Amino acid sequence: SQTIHQWPATLVQPVGSPLSLECTVEGTSNPNLYWYRQAAGRGLQLLFYSVGIGQISSEVPQNLSASRPQDRQFILSSKKLLLSDSGFYLCAWSVGGATGELFFGEGSRLTVL
Amino acid sequence: QQQVKQSPQSLIVQKGGISIINCAYENTAFDYFPWYQQFPGKGPALLIAIRPDVSEKKEGRFTISFNKSAKQFSLHIMDSQPGDSATYFCAASRSGTASKLTFGTGTRLQVTL
Repeated sequence: SQTIHQWPATLVQPVGSPLSLECTVEGTSNPNLYWYRQAAGRGLQLLFYSVGIGQISSEVPQNLSASRPQDRQFILSSKKLLLSDSGFYLCAWSVGGATGELFFGEGSRLTVL
Repeated sequence: QQQVKQSPQSLIVQKGGISIINCAYENTAFDYFPWYQQFPGKGPALLIAIRPDVSEKKEGRFTISFNKSAKQFSLHIMDSQPGDSATYFCAASRSGTASKLTFGTGTRLQVTL
């Protein structure tokens, strides 16, 4: 069966510090991978998605970047965090090549102070 | 054109009652409409989904009603149970090689005894 792992679960970072959130998927090949951010009262906002290694599409201009160094690994990064980067970040995967169900990870709660 | 509007923001229903959550979309190219359920501290999980070739889909106590001409769809939870207490998100996307879902802002449902 397929599983998705996301870490760290929570972190508190000072403004201006770097960020790295990691996500890995097991039990499937060539998945589409996604990073969403969830803010209170604003639903889930798609930040990045990837249909293959090294292929990253950005949906919202921001202080963040994403990379996919391996088929089942997706990383969300920032060089310098802003207060507005605080939120609940969710990694997700779907079967490659089509529209369908998203399978979400457990999320990472980021607080920038 | 990418918005999905969801209402109400919160909902309190007695055990055994019917919970109804409504969503409206603008982009007529959307052709996939899922509902996700999220418990506190967890990632969302797919509950039920519909495509516009049908007006209704039922899975157990959960029903999606879809009105293509009005660009609206709704989730009905029959015989609501305390275990249904969660946040519900509607979403929409268009067919393609990735599941780029646009989410509503969420409805927090509380089912009381």
